[in-house]
Amino acid sequence: GNSVTQMEGPVTLSEEAFLTINCTYTATGYPSLFWYVQYPGEGLQLLLKATKADDKGSNKGFEATYRKETTSFHLEKGSVQVSDSAVYFCALTNSNSGYALNFGKGTSLLVTP
Amino acid sequence: EAGVVQSPRYKIIEKKQPVAFWCNPISGHNTLYWYRQNLGQGPELLIRYENEEAVDDSQLPKDRFSAERLKGVDSTLKIQPAELGDSAVYLCASSRQGVAGTEAFFGQGTRLTVV
Repeated sequence: GNSVTQMEGPVTLSEEAFLTINCTYTATGYPSLFWYVQYPGEGLQLLLKATKADDKGSNKGFEATYRKETTSFHLEKGSVQVSDSAVYFCALTNSNSGYALNFGKGTSLLVTP
Repeated sequence: EAGVVQSPRYKIIEKKQPVAFWCNPISGHNTLYWYRQNLGQGPELLIRYENEEAVDDSQLPKDRFSAERLKGVDSTLKIQPAELGDSAVYLCASSRQGVAGTEAFFGQGTRLTVV
């Protein structure tokens, strides 16, 4: 079946530091890959996505590249801000799941001034 | 456009009592999902609807959980009777249709506490 593995949190960084959150997946076929974010007190929202190998998703300074050879979709940002403090979820969909999202456990990020 | 609306936001009940959650998806979204999110975990799918048909309920504990989506719009998820282990956040999401790369939009969830 499908599964998503994310690096354990919490991750604490100083403002302007470089961020990497690792994500690897197991799935049949060619899944679509997503990063969702949950800000404090808010619902889950899509941050970025990629639907085929070597695609790069980007939004709000965050990037992730779909690497089929390593089954990975690592999230990166060159300079984090306090406002990026949130929980980040890696997820995938494919036809096996009827395109319902399969989520990782989430990684909590705290950015300090 | 209005987002996915869920109610109530919070619910505290005693074990063995019934509870129901309501979801209004984004207008025009045919696919509706219910997820359960335990503390410190990612959301897990309970049930998926295409219009009014439950096309995947394999993860729904059918001895105590039920769901319906009348007229293919609003949906209700019910637990009867609730157990302590049901304490979690219940999330509703909707999307236009289930195809590759489709974005799902989430409501703010209902936080259930069973005491």
